[in-house]
Amino acid sequence: KAGVTQTPRYLIKTRGQQVTLSCSPISGHRSVSWYQQTPGQGLQFLFEYFSETQRNKGNFPGRFSGRQFSNSRSEMNVSTLELGDSALYLCASSFSRQGEAFFGQGTRLTVV
Amino acid sequence: KNQVEQSPQSLIILEGKNCTLQCNYTVSPFSNLRWYKQDTGRGPVSLTIMTFSENTKSNGRYTATLDADTKQSSLHITASQLSDSASYICVVTPNYGQNFVFGPGTRLSVLP
Repeated sequence: KAGVTQTPRYLIKTRGQQVTLSCSPISGHRSVSWYQQTPGQGLQFLFEYFSETQRNKGNFPGRFSGRQFSNSRSEMNVSTLELGDSALYLCASSFSRQGEAFFGQGTRLTVV
Repeated sequence: KNQVEQSPQSLIILEGKNCTLQCNYTVSPFSNLRWYKQDTGRGPVSLTIMTFSENTKSNGRYTATLDADTKQSSLHITASQLSDSASYICVVTPNYGQNFVFGPGTRLSVLP
């Protein structure tokens, strides 16, 4: 059974650019959540999608957005990148909204 | 406000020794509490999951306990190995609102 796949694994962008990260959940999982993790910080919740609808949103500016497709794959987009957006972005999928969450390996974003 | 605190922030032990990590939470009511292990630069991996009515759960050398009255959980690692060096994250699932509340993690280093 394939795990959660995040692409790309590493990304370098310059300030002001935008970026799109992709997450393919475990087959059959309909809930996808996104998190930001920076050095010294715990996991910060970005948003949760279930059945193509955003169910919860964390305390992040509107530059962070996401969507979920009918096959449960999800993308998150960050516009007008800032240096502080450099982080490990993790995606987690679960069968139900409060079921066990399985994490991907993450996308390491560096903004220069 | 739903919060999860963990202690100590970091811990260094010698290979073969035991250790106990603490998690205090204010999330109430909650449906379950999880412990995750996260190796540097990788996604978290689930170690144990306990419902609010369970007191203990084991997974090999990892044993988690839960005291819902005092809102405390602990993760005990027996006969530590070098591969146990990682961050350990306590996660509580509230019954309402945000799907998961993450603790900041405890960074464990096991030395030979």
